[in-house]
Amino acid sequence: QLVLTQSPSASASLGASVKLTCTLSSGHSSYAIAWHQQQPEKGPRYLMKLNSDGSHSKGDGIPDRFSGSSSGAERYLTISSLQSEDEADYYCQTWGTGIQGVFGGGTKLTVL
Amino acid sequence: EVQLVESGGGLVQPGRSLRLSCAASGFTFDDYAMHWVRQAPGKGLEWVSGISWNSGSIGYADSVKGRFTISRDNAKNSLYLQMNSLRAEDTALYYCAKAALGEYYFDYWGQGTLVTVSS
Repeated sequence: QLVLTQSPSASASLGASVKLTCTLSSGHSSYAIAWHQQQPEKGPRYLMKLNSDGSHSKGDGIPDRFSGSSSGAERYLTISSLQSEDEADYYCQTWGTGIQGVFGGGTKLTVL
Repeated sequence: EVQLVESGGGLVQPGRSLRLSCAASGFTFDDYAMHWVRQAPGKGLEWVSGISWNSGSIGYADSVKGRFTISRDNAKNSLYLQMNSLRAEDTALYYCAKAALGEYYFDYWGQGTLVTVSS
């Protein structure tokens, strides 16, 4: 079964960097994912598509501070030079056979 | 500019029906697959249903299969979700999302419409 696993929470200081992780279930390590950001009381926003080789394509207007990387079944979102507006929930998303969407449980990022 | 505007949410009793709509603009609607995603209060995102550009492929989450029906009208640039036999656990903010061209990930989202199922 295709499952995405994320840590429920993460924290980092203003101006620092943070690396969020999304783990694909066994047998699905070649899958691409997408990262989405949801700021408080707002709708989600697409950040990037991230392939298994670490290549990624970002959405319109997404700052260079946001980058992605991959290792095996792990997909990472790195945010550098953290700003207060980066405090948000971050979701990874992938897709199964046919039209079947899958979301991770989300990571709540706190900027200290 | 891509815009997705959901409507049709509201308070409905358990067992009743509701139809959500999503009006799309700023892109060639009939080129893209579209999806519905929901978020229960205080919870994460849950994919609900998706439909290909020509309605030839459709998918549903197990939690709504047999009760919800997704459809689209490309002439009206609109996406729909017919929700029948509603349950309390269907209470959520429902988002319309556009898939990237030829892909299954979502590159644009609406602001959502709230559905509350309660007696």
